Amino acid sequence: DGGITQSPKYLFRKEGQNVTLSCEQNLNHDAMYWYRQDPGQGLRLIYYSQIVNDFQKGDIAEGYSVSREKKESFPLTVTSAQKNPTAFYLCASSDTNTGELFFGEGSRLTVL
Amino acid sequence: AQKVTQAQTEISVVEKEDVTLDCVYETRDTTYYLFWYKQPPSGELVFLIRRNSFDEQNEISGRYSWNFQKSTSSFNFTITASQVVDSAVYFCALSEGRGDMRFGAGTRLTVKP
Repeated sequence: DGGITQSPKYLFRKEGQNVTLSCEQNLNHDAMYWYRQDPGQGLRLIYYSQIVNDFQKGDIAEGYSVSREKKESFPLTVTSAQKNPTAFYLCASSDTNTGELFFGEGSRLTVL
Repeated sequence: AQKVTQAQTEISVVEKEDVTLDCVYETRDTTYYLFWYKQPPSGELVFLIRRNSFDEQNEISGRYSWNFQKSTSSFNFTITASQVVDSAVYFCALSEGRGDMRFGAGTRLTVKP
C-alpha cells in the first residue's frame, strides 16, 4: 500500500539523549515535511525538503536536524539541545501538482 | 510569512445540529492554497479539501461545505446535520506554493449523541 510510514510510534528517552525518528514514503513525492504537535498549538513546521539533498528550516528548527539522502526517506533527529522535546511528531509528503499533504500516523516522543 | 487563525478552540454540539468552523488567513501572495484537514482520535491527519486563491467558488461535498471569501480572508467549513463520527480536531492550513504549509491551532469539535 502507498503511504507514509513513521517509526517508532511511541518512544521514551532520557534527557540528554539524541533521538532519531524515521519517516519513509513510497508515494514518489518530491517534498517531505516534519511537524510538531503540542496540545492547543496545532502543527508547527520544523523542517521541510522539496528535493533530495536539500532542506529548509521551518518555524521551530532549533534543536532538530534532518537529512534527505534519498527521495523516500526524511529522518528527524531530536537533539539534546531541544529544550522541550516531548511532543507528537508528524511526517508528511506532498504531491507537487495539488500541494496536498499526506501524513504518517505520527510518533509520540516522551522524554523522561 | 503566512498565518492561519482558528479562533474557536473547542466547539460542542448535539447530533444533527449544523456547525461552522472558522478560518482566517494572512498572506502577501496572490497565489496561495487553502486546506482543511481532520484529525480523529487516532492522530493521523485526513485531507478534506484544497482550494487555490483563484477559485472562490464554494464547494459542497455531502454534509460538508466550504465558504471561501477573499474579501475577508476567510475559508470557513460547515458541517450540516453533524454526527458523532464528526468528532475530531479540524485544522485549516495555508500554503504559498513554496513547500511550507502552515496550520492553524485547530478546532476541537465534539458532537454529542
